[in-house]
Amino acid sequence: GEDVEQSLFLSVREGDSSVINCTYTDSSSTYLYWYKQEPGAGLQLLTYIFSNMDMKQDQRLTVLLNKKDKHLSLRIADTQTGDSAIYFCAESFPGTYKYIFGTGTRLKVLA
Amino acid sequence: GAGVSQSPSNKVTEKGKDVELRCDPISGHTALYWYRQSLGQGLEFLIYFQGNSAPDKSGLPSDRFSAERTGGSVSTLTIQRTQQEDSAVYLCASSHRDRGGYEQYFGPGTRLTVT
Repeated sequence: GEDVEQSLFLSVREGDSSVINCTYTDSSSTYLYWYKQEPGAGLQLLTYIFSNMDMKQDQRLTVLLNKKDKHLSLRIADTQTGDSAIYFCAESFPGTYKYIFGTGTRLKVLA
Repeated sequence: GAGVSQSPSNKVTEKGKDVELRCDPISGHTALYWYRQSLGQGLEFLIYFQGNSAPDKSGLPSDRFSAERTGGSVSTLTIQRTQQEDSAVYLCASSHRDRGGYEQYFGPGTRLTVT
């Protein structure tokens, strides 16, 4: 079955880059996503990448997709305290409603 | 415009009681999802509605859980005879498409605590 895994915690200093990693098992996905969840709030889409792309850059965010290794990463440049949150990767599949979410990575940014 | 809203924001209930959680999706969104978020467990898919089609209930953990969506809009998730393991944050999301590849808009969730 599908499985999406993430490390649970990441701590970085303000101004450094953060790299959040995600591995998945089902390679039939069409899109892969990164969502951000701030305390007490629902998830908010940060960015997504189509499965035939290797990289996508959006301001401070860079998404890298390694299909061979089934590995997705999110790099946040110049991390700020406002980036402290839980980050979820997710994938969706062709012709279905189905989304599979990872366990989430809690990012803590130290001032 | 208004986003997805959920009520109540917090609910404390005694073991064995029934609870109802409500979700108001974004107007015009045809797809509505319920997820459960437990500590360190990520998001667990519960149920999905698309328009007037029969919902996919394959993620509901037991027959104590049920959901309905009236008029293709508001949805209610009902948990009967609550157990302590039901304690979690229940998130609702809506989308303007029924297929993967489109953004899901999430509500703030209902935090359920069963004592």
